[in-house]
Amino acid sequence: EIVLTQSPGTLSLSPGETATLSCRASQGVSSNLLAWYQQTPGQAPRLLIYGASSRATGIPDRFSGSGSGTDFTLTISRLEPEDFVVYYCQQYRSPPSTFGQGTKLEI
Amino acid sequence: EVQLVQSGAEVKKPGESLKISCKASGYSFSNYWIGWVRQMPGKGLEWMGIIYPGDSDTKYRPSFRGQVTISADKSIDTAYLQWSSLEASDTAMYYCARQSSGYLQPFDYWGHGTLVTVTS
Repeated sequence: EIVLTQSPGTLSLSPGETATLSCRASQGVSSNLLAWYQQTPGQAPRLLIYGASSRATGIPDRFSGSGSGTDFTLTISRLEPEDFVVYYCQQYRSPPSTFGQGTKLEI
Repeated sequence: EVQLVQSGAEVKKPGESLKISCKASGYSFSNYWIGWVRQMPGKGLEWMGIIYPGDSDTKYRPSFRGQVTISADKSIDTAYLQWSSLEASDTAMYYCARQSSGYLQPFDYWGHGTLVTVTS
């Protein structure tokens, strides 16, 4: 099973700044089968990025993903108030898929 | 429009059985893998398993195998997650989610979640 470690656990920034979230895998995630999700309190997760760098439908270009192998990054530019929630990475290289423990973005 | 509508919140006692549901609409249910994700109170997301309704092929996370059963009824476009004997540690929010087209894919649509509370 691939273990995903997200850092930092909590990231404190201000609106308008740029957030850089990290996701490190315990072994290589082939074909960059890695996704990022956003979860607002009380709601289901929402797919942001798939294939490490492709934005899901309707996701603004302020959100971008990069990386390969074992190191992946989610970058959120020009932070808006609604961005201050929790973000998870997920590898789906093969079952069982696994999620990282999450990064909370706070003001 | 793709929608996944989950059954309502449940309060059960330890040892009881439970089956929660996820009704799909807006797409060809048989042709997309659908999965279940657990979120314990204040915690992160855990992938439990997936099922392909077309042929009922099912994959489980090892820690959930034997603890839950994932099934689907393609005649009514509904997936299920069931327990034969609940424990207090099963208290969590359970989400169903559809994988985008194909086997190795992320979850592109999610249900609203079913809160399961197990308490004596």
